[in-house]
Amino acid sequence: KAGVTQTPRYLIKTRGQQVTLSCSPISGHRSVSWYQQTPGQGLQFLFEYFSETQRNKGNFPGRFSGRQFSNSRSEMNVSTLELGDSALYLCASSGSRELKETQYFGPGTRLLVL
Amino acid sequence: AQTVTQSQPEMSVQEAETVTLSCTYDTSENNYYLFWYKQPPSRQMILVIRQEAYKQQNATENRFSVNFQKAAKSFSLKISDSQLGDTAMYFCAFMHDMTDSNYQLIWGAGTKLIIKP
Repeated sequence: KAGVTQTPRYLIKTRGQQVTLSCSPISGHRSVSWYQQTPGQGLQFLFEYFSETQRNKGNFPGRFSGRQFSNSRSEMNVSTLELGDSALYLCASSGSRELKETQYFGPGTRLLVL
Repeated sequence: AQTVTQSQPEMSVQEAETVTLSCTYDTSENNYYLFWYKQPPSRQMILVIRQEAYKQQNATENRFSVNFQKAAKSFSLKISDSQLGDTAMYFCAFMHDMTDSNYQLIWGAGTKLIIKP
């Protein structure tokens, strides 16, 4: 079974621009979560989607948004980029019958904001 | 609020040795899940082992095992016969019981483990 995929793997943007990141979960998984990883703040939860509905949201400004499609693929969008948004963005999927709470991660998208 | 603490920022051991990584957490809940993930230099986050709080038995996965002390809120990871490929950042993570539909992982700061040849 294919793992979680994320595109693109690397992005360079400038301040003020917006960016969209994509995540395709493991086949059959219906929950997709997003995390931001930075050297200073570590790993922080952004939001989680299940069946096209946002169930949980972390403590991030409204510039960070997401959505999930009917095929469980998810996108996250960051508008008006700031230098502090430079990070590794990780997507994880969960929902296997045996280990429904266990999250499996994609390779991440490295975003650099200049 | 739940917190996860990893008190060892960095550790290094010789290949084939056994190493134990520490993790403590704070919660008032009785049911929850605990995880160890590793993140090699490639940056892919990989599940190492998971533990359900209602299970008394410590989880094991090949060379990896945990010492889960629920009363002490401690969840350490033991790596036996360490290998060069074990070099990575190791993160301890907590998740609420899913009955309240709170699916986020709460992470520790990580421990950088270096296996020396």
